[in-house]
Amino acid sequence: RKEVEQDPGPFNVPEGATVAFNCTYSNSASQSFFWYRQDCRKEPKLLMSVYSSGNEDGRFTAQLNRASQYISLLIRDSKLSDSATYLCVVNEDTGNQFYFGTGTSLTVIP
Amino acid sequence: NAGVTQTPKFRVLKTGQSMTLLCAQDMNHEYMYWYRQDPGMGLRLIHYSVGEGTTAKGEVPDGYNVSRLKKQNFLLGLESAAPSQTSVYFCASSSDLTDTQYFGPGTRLTVL
Repeated sequence: RKEVEQDPGPFNVPEGATVAFNCTYSNSASQSFFWYRQDCRKEPKLLMSVYSSGNEDGRFTAQLNRASQYISLLIRDSKLSDSATYLCVVNEDTGNQFYFGTGTSLTVIP
Repeated sequence: NAGVTQTPKFRVLKTGQSMTLLCAQDMNHEYMYWYRQDPGMGLRLIHYSVGEGTTAKGEVPDGYNVSRLKKQNFLLGLESAAPSQTSVYFCASSSDLTDTQYFGPGTRLTVL
């Protein structure tokens, strides 16, 4: 069983659309949650941390549901530049490991 | 301020050859990590370090060794390369366990 699971997609959406990704995690003791963005053949970069109360950064909203053990990322008013792979990342404070999902591919179409 | 750099960017090895990948960070981070990324597998932690002189095994440590002799450098060694080690290797660093990880640009390694 994978620690972190994501729908690989691909998600193909038109410009201006709203798209949402979910990510489930297996360890209920997980403490820290993140969304990273990875462009083709590039390194992952932090998009946003996910806080228990949910958080928003411009067009991006991240939410955590501890009861169901999933985190979500909502992108509003999609831009062509949002095309990338979005990685869900979970850290367990009991260990020193970050667990990465396999990523969800998003393509925003003109 | 270069962030995290990796050397080399590309490498082709023959089975049984050895090599060392170098990661350097200029952010004074305590924590450093080596990951490999394979299609359909996501990033998997190979080894990590919580400070100068310390290293620990991650999820997939077999076939790799590491050293952290200086705080800013984290070396990943392959003693006898195998085709299964063909992958993209990323180094990362962070100031804290729960803090943002900053990644290097990656090393694309092919083992024939």
